[in-house]
Amino acid sequence: DADVTQTPRNRITKTGKRIMLECSQTKGHDRMYWYRQDPGLGLQLIYYSFDVKDINKGEISDGYSVSRQAQAKFSLSLESAIPNQTALYFCATSDLPGTGKQETQYFGPGTRLLVL
Amino acid sequence: GENVEQHPSTLSVQEGDSAVIKCTYSDSASNYFPWYKQELGKGPQLIIDIRSNVGEKKDQRIAVTLNKTAKHFSLHITETQPEDSAVYFCAASIGGSYIPTFGRGTSLIVHP
Repeated sequence: DADVTQTPRNRITKTGKRIMLECSQTKGHDRMYWYRQDPGLGLQLIYYSFDVKDINKGEISDGYSVSRQAQAKFSLSLESAIPNQTALYFCATSDLPGTGKQETQYFGPGTRLLVL
Repeated sequence: GENVEQHPSTLSVQEGDSAVIKCTYSDSASNYFPWYKQELGKGPQLIIDIRSNVGEKKDQRIAVTLNKTAKHFSLHITETQPEDSAVYFCAASIGGSYIPTFGRGTSLIVHP
């Protein structure tokens, strides 16, 4: 059973449209992250949240927003999609400090987004 | 902030050969170095990690070495198998932040 799920898995949209990517987790982790993956560029952090009331920008937050609806849910929105936001998007979770595994990130299967 | 460089970007080997992927980091405060494997159509998954107080760590066919003085660390895979074919990412995180900075990835291809 998947501990971190993402919906949709694939999405095609048009320039200017608003879209939302959703992430849910059953790991009971407080910390959640959104990453973007482009070929040859690795994983770039968009936003992260250490708990429901905590939202932080990552290195490439422009053009994106997030919502932490509950401990288990973290959504990424593209307010007005543009073609260079075409990429593979990953949600991840991690445990709290002091657990011994706080640095390990658990990734979802990804959402492949195409903006036309 | 931290900067992680990873080489090579693509590595092609024959089944049974060894594979080595190298990474360098910039911030001497980094103290945790994980390696993730991403299979086709899946998210990255942790395969091995090392902390700055250890020079080498092994887990069956994979090993990681760390040279703090030179600020570089490497992943070694011995007796490669076709199922080792994947994209591998190194990362480094600064103590206390627990947020990794990833390298750009290495596509490993193991030919049967």
